[in-house]
Amino acid sequence: GAGVSQSPRYKVAKRGQDVALRCDPISGHVSLFWYQQALGQGPEFLTYFQNEAQLDKSGLPSDRFFAERPEGSVSTLKIQRTQQEDSAVYLCASSPSESSQVQRRTDTQYFGPGTRLTVL
Amino acid sequence: AQSVSQHNHHVILSEAASLELGCNYSYGGTVNLFWYVQYPGQHLQLLLKYFSGDPLVKGIKGFEAEFIKSKFSFNLRKPSVQWSDTAEYFCAVPLGTYKYIFGTGTRLKVLA
Repeated sequence: GAGVSQSPRYKVAKRGQDVALRCDPISGHVSLFWYQQALGQGPEFLTYFQNEAQLDKSGLPSDRFFAERPEGSVSTLKIQRTQQEDSAVYLCASSPSESSQVQRRTDTQYFGPGTRLTVL
Repeated sequence: AQSVSQHNHHVILSEAASLELGCNYSYGGTVNLFWYVQYPGQHLQLLLKYFSGDPLVKGIKGFEAEFIKSKFSFNLRKPSVQWSDTAEYFCAVPLGTYKYIFGTGTRLKVLA
């Protein structure tokens, strides 16, 4: 497709349920990012993949959050035993190239529409 | 810790008014700066970006931003807003080479 897609667009879960959120990045994009956006806030970084390698997961709020990108394209963010505080919009973004200290510049990130998760 | 501050959380303007949205960051290294926009019902998209060179950057839809290194600022401007500019605007600064730090956003409403 032309852009980043995410599914589902909306997810309602009961507290304690497990959820899986999918991201299809732009074809050929090396880098993939997940962000969490709480109501009234800017997106906050969760994790970063370069191809299939998860290079940074420092933003994952707890060990209930797990992300994977096994073949270097589609990614899944899984949240186990959801809590009310997990309610947020989860954004996926991709960028064409890998991060580069040599370049000393940051690629533009292309964002998907997000998945709005509501935990009851 | 690095941070990004957007001073105005909600702005209401009439069409044809001038716009300036503030963004200040705290980061001493090489600076790349971005403004993203989210129109109602749409996803975040790039408005403009600064990497190096001319500190006055022009973006889409008549927007521009000026990087002032001494003030750690990257304010967004538009001389004459339109109703279609109603959106939420986010300033972003990369931490390192890939991780964005976003400001809290400014909701702009333009009255027709």
